[in-house]
Amino acid sequence: GNSVTQMEGPVTLSEEAFLTINCTYTATGYPSLFWYVQYPGEGLQLLLKATKADDKGSNKGFEATYRKETTSFHLEKGSVQVSDSAVYFCALSVKEGSYIPTFGRGTSLIVHP
Amino acid sequence: DVKVTQSSRYLVKRTGEKVFLECVQDMDHENMFWYRQDPGLGLRLIYFSYDVKMKEKGDIPEGYSVSREKKERFSLILESASTNQTSMYLCASSPPETNSYEQYFGPGTRLTVT
Repeated sequence: GNSVTQMEGPVTLSEEAFLTINCTYTATGYPSLFWYVQYPGEGLQLLLKATKADDKGSNKGFEATYRKETTSFHLEKGSVQVSDSAVYFCALSVKEGSYIPTFGRGTSLIVHP
Repeated sequence: DVKVTQSSRYLVKRTGEKVFLECVQDMDHENMFWYRQDPGLGLRLIYFSYDVKMKEKGDIPEGYSVSREKKERFSLILESASTNQTSMYLCASSPPETNSYEQYFGPGTRLTVT
């Protein structure tokens, strides 16, 4: 089956620090990969995505590269802000049978001033 | 922009009550989903629907039912609420087969059953 593993949190950083949140996956077919973000008290929203190997998704200073050889999709940001404090979910969808997404358990990021 | 709305942000119900959670999307999406989110467990799929009057069980359907009478509306029903159904409930929709299948989420309903 499909699965997504992401690093446990919370990840606590100071403002302007470099961020990496690791995400690895297993999939029975060729997946599309996503990062969603959930700000406090809100639903999830799509942060970025990549649909094929070596694609780089980017948005709001965040980046992630689809690495098929290592089955990974790590999220990075060069300089985090307090406003980036949220929960980040890695997810995949595979177009075989159904494309119900598989989510990781989420990683909480706390950024201190 | 796609907009997914949920009928309530916060809801408090008593054990044994019948509870309706409503979700409406405005982008003519075929696919709609109900999840519950609990600390340490991430998102768990309760039910989903590919079309009007069509429903499929997700990973944790026990104690829940759904209704989809119109394309834009997907309702989650707790027939007899129990305290272990206290949770955050998230609705989502997604367009028909595309290259990437991303989901669009509502703001969530935090349900407390006392």
